[in-house]
Amino acid sequence: GAVVSQHPSWVICKSGTSVKIECRSLDFQATTMFWYRQFPKQSLMLMATSNEGSKATYEQGVEKDKFLINHASLTLSTLTVTSAHPEDSSFYICSARPGLAIGREQYFGPGTRLTVT
Amino acid sequence: AQSVTQLDSHVSVSEGTPVLLRCNYSSSYSPSLFWYVQHPNKGLQLLLKYTSAATLVKGINGFEAEFKKSETSFHLTKPSAHMSDAAEYFCVVSGGGYQKVTFGTGTKLQVIP
Repeated sequence: GAVVSQHPSWVICKSGTSVKIECRSLDFQATTMFWYRQFPKQSLMLMATSNEGSKATYEQGVEKDKFLINHASLTLSTLTVTSAHPEDSSFYICSARPGLAIGREQYFGPGTRLTVT
Repeated sequence: AQSVTQLDSHVSVSEGTPVLLRCNYSSSYSPSLFWYVQHPNKGLQLLLKYTSAATLVKGINGFEAEFKKSETSFHLTKPSAHMSDAAEYFCVVSGGGYQKVTFGTGTKLQVIP
């Protein structure tokens, strides 16, 4: 149980185009979903937190107009990288949490590798 | 506010010897603490978690960690390393009303045959 999927697993796009990444909780309802970015050989950096039906909360330094997050249902969140540039190339990982109860761990997706040429 | 420090970026052990990955945290809340493992080009897998119950937590694959409040530590241990343990390990602290999560910088574990 507690499986999170991401689609696509990897994507190559041209500079200036937009890319959408989907994150789905397959066997549970995710009250909260998180989006992370991981640079090579580095830790995960939290980009934003989204609660179903409300606007995402972005971390300091993350451009909300560039990284559009939508959490329209309890099983789906999407991250759209708008007007992508080579510096946006990275490994993007989402996670989902079933509820707000203290100590509820997050379940991570397998990640999406984005390469912008 | 909260933070987590993984004291070693790389740890190298011989197969069959003990593993110790160190983690210290700070938190304004009563934190939950987690260890995750990431194999190359893969997502993260939960090894174990502490959520204010027993201070010695046992996880999967023979790993365990002890929450020591006085030392603000949550070190990960395993009695005997296996080749398949070679991976990146992340210590994570979670706390506050929205359970904000902060990742450590990771420790890469190398297991030498």
